[in-house]
Amino acid sequence: AQTVTQSQPEMSVQEAETVTLSCTYDTSESDYYLFWYKQPPSRQMILVIRQEAYKQQNATENRFSVNFQKAAKSFSLKISDSQLGDAAMYFCAYRRTGNQFYFGTGTSLTVIP
Amino acid sequence: DVKVTQSSRYLVKRTGEKVFLECVQDMDHENMFWYRQDPGLGLRLIYFSYDVKMKEKGDIPEGYSVSREKKERFSLILESASTNQTSMYLCASSPPLQGGQPQHFGDGTRLSIL
Repeated sequence: AQTVTQSQPEMSVQEAETVTLSCTYDTSESDYYLFWYKQPPSRQMILVIRQEAYKQQNATENRFSVNFQKAAKSFSLKISDSQLGDAAMYFCAYRRTGNQFYFGTGTSLTVIP
Repeated sequence: DVKVTQSSRYLVKRTGEKVFLECVQDMDHENMFWYRQDPGLGLRLIYFSYDVKMKEKGDIPEGYSVSREKKERFSLILESASTNQTSMYLCASSPPLQGGQPQHFGDGTRLSIL
């Protein structure tokens, strides 16, 4: 079974600082995809960043980057220069060959002005 | 942009009622999903569909059924609503796996069963 673990239910960061959200997953597959989703208080879930397991290079999208450690099955999200609009629930998700996605329990990020 | 539309943002129903939650997507996606979101539990998959009239159970299908008569529409049905089905319900759609395509979500329906 595939499981996704987010061990930090809540995190906070000072505005303009950097924060890292943790995610680990369990799989026996070698080919899969990993995602970070953001759910602001308005509730619509939006994609932040994704990573293909076969790619060694870590994905980057503007202020968002990941640290993908395939052997350790770790996929952390780094948010640089945090902004008030980054405050949200963040979900890590896994998709293998097939149609299902598996989500972690989420990390609630607070940005302190 | 992909748009996934859920018919209601808030819904209040009574125990024992049959409840329909509707979801429509406009990007011709093959896959559609219904999740339940509860604090501390994340998103749990109820059902998903990979084609018209095709469905598969997710992790928590008990007490729910689904219908997909047209490709763009995926309905979640609570056959006889109970108070423990009070929750946030999220619909999502995605293309097939190729390229690691992500899911696209609707705004969610906050359902209260009294």
